[in-house]
Amino acid sequence: GESVGLHLPTLSVQEGDNSIINCAYSNSASDYFIWYKQESGKGPQFIIDIRSNMDKRQGQRVTVLLNKTVKHLSLQIAATQPGDSAVYFCAEANTGGFKTIFGAGTRLFVKA
Amino acid sequence: DVKVTQSSRYLVKRTGEKVFLECVQDMDHENMFWYRQDPGLGLRLIYFSYDVKMKEKGDIPEGYSVSREKKERFSLILESASTNQTSMYLCASSVEKGFWETQYFGPGTRLLVL
Repeated sequence: GESVGLHLPTLSVQEGDNSIINCAYSNSASDYFIWYKQESGKGPQFIIDIRSNMDKRQGQRVTVLLNKTVKHLSLQIAATQPGDSAVYFCAEANTGGFKTIFGAGTRLFVKA
Repeated sequence: DVKVTQSSRYLVKRTGEKVFLECVQDMDHENMFWYRQDPGLGLRLIYFSYDVKMKEKGDIPEGYSVSREKKERFSLILESASTNQTSMYLCASSVEKGFWETQYFGPGTRLLVL
């Protein structure tokens, strides 16, 4: 069945280092991908999105990479800060359909 | 900024009780959603609504119902709460009639059913 999964359930990085969070998706028909950040006690917050006609999209300190060949999505956070500590999860959707599939999430720990 | 609010952050209910979870969004969004979030399972869609008085079942609608009498408000109802409905419940809204639009989430309601 369709699934969006994450390779690492937890990730620990040193403050100032770059973080990379990975996500695999299985539905080749998905053409829209989103990364969310969820801090403790809060709802998910949109970070960045990318459509399938792009390979890379940059935001403020974040970059999303999409590799459609291997159905892989990654979120890169530059100069990781303590405030980046949260659960990050990816989601996939099909603009021709009506479903968004969410991954289970990766917890990012930032060590000071 | 989009604001999605949920009526309660924490709720404790007893098995068999009827439970109401309320969600309000202030951005005139068309779509509203109810999810539950459980460790290791990600977000699972319970119900969604793309217009007032319209509702559609998601992936796990059993044991739940919804109501959307006004555009800004979407209620989730547990007709007879059970312990397996202990979970974090998240409400979301999005602008256009389609799942592929970015969804904006509320802070969540953590429900414990005893």
